[in-house]
Amino acid sequence: GDSVTQMEGPVTLSEEAFLTINCTYTATGYPSLFWYVQYPGEGLQLLLKATKADDKGSNKGFEATYRKETTSFHLEKGSVQVSDSAVYFCALSDRGNTGFQKLVFGTGTRLLVSP
Amino acid sequence: EPEVTQTPSHQVTQMGQEVILRCVPISNHLYFYWYRQILGQKVEFLVSFYNNEISEKSEIFDDQFSVERPDGSNFTLKIRSTKLEDSAMYFCASTVQGSSYNEQFFGPGTRLTVL
Repeated sequence: GDSVTQMEGPVTLSEEAFLTINCTYTATGYPSLFWYVQYPGEGLQLLLKATKADDKGSNKGFEATYRKETTSFHLEKGSVQVSDSAVYFCALSDRGNTGFQKLVFGTGTRLLVSP
Repeated sequence: EPEVTQTPSHQVTQMGQEVILRCVPISNHLYFYWYRQILGQKVEFLVSFYNNEISEKSEIFDDQFSVERPDGSNFTLKIRSTKLEDSAMYFCASTVQGSSYNEQFFGPGTRLTVL
C-alpha cells in the first residue's frame, strides 16, 4: 500500500539556519502531497500542499517541490525562527477504495529551534 | 476562524471500559475522519464518514470501534471495550469535499490512556 517515510528527529537548529526535512513516498497513481505542522497543544495544520508533479507548495517561508522522479517532497526553509519549533508531518492523499480522500502520514519530525 | 474541536483533551480509562471521544467538525463540512497516533508511531487512518455512513475503514477499525453523528454537529468515536494497545492520540478531521486536493482540518486530539 501507499506509504510515507520522513527523517527521524529531533532536528535541532539555531535561529536563522537553513532547514531541510526529507520526505519520500511510495504510491500507486498520482497522489497529492502535503506538509502538516503541529504546534504544542494544537491540532495538525496544513502548512503547504502540491497536487501534481513539479508543483511547488509554499507558505510562511517554507517550500516543498513534488518530485515524481525521486518520489520526494522535501520541506525547506531558508531561515528558521524559534516560533517554527513544532512537529512536521509529511502526508499523501490516497483516494481509497471508495474514492474519498484519506491521508497517509509519515512519523513526524520534531524541529527545535534555539535563539 | 472556524476550527475542529475535540473533547476531552485527555481520557484515562481502565481496560475493558467503554470510551466515547467527541468531535465537533467545522459546520459546513461534509466528510469526517478519525485518525490515531500511537506514541512514536505514524498517524494512522481509522475511518471516514459521509452522509451518515462509513465510507471506508482501516483494518484497525474492528468491531470494537464505532462512529456516529448523533445530532448533526457532533461526530463521535466509541471504543466498546478498551485494550491497552488502544492508548494513543486520536485526531478528528473534516473537509468540505472528499477530493484528494482538499485540505483536511484537524482537531487538537484526545489523548487516550488505557490502564
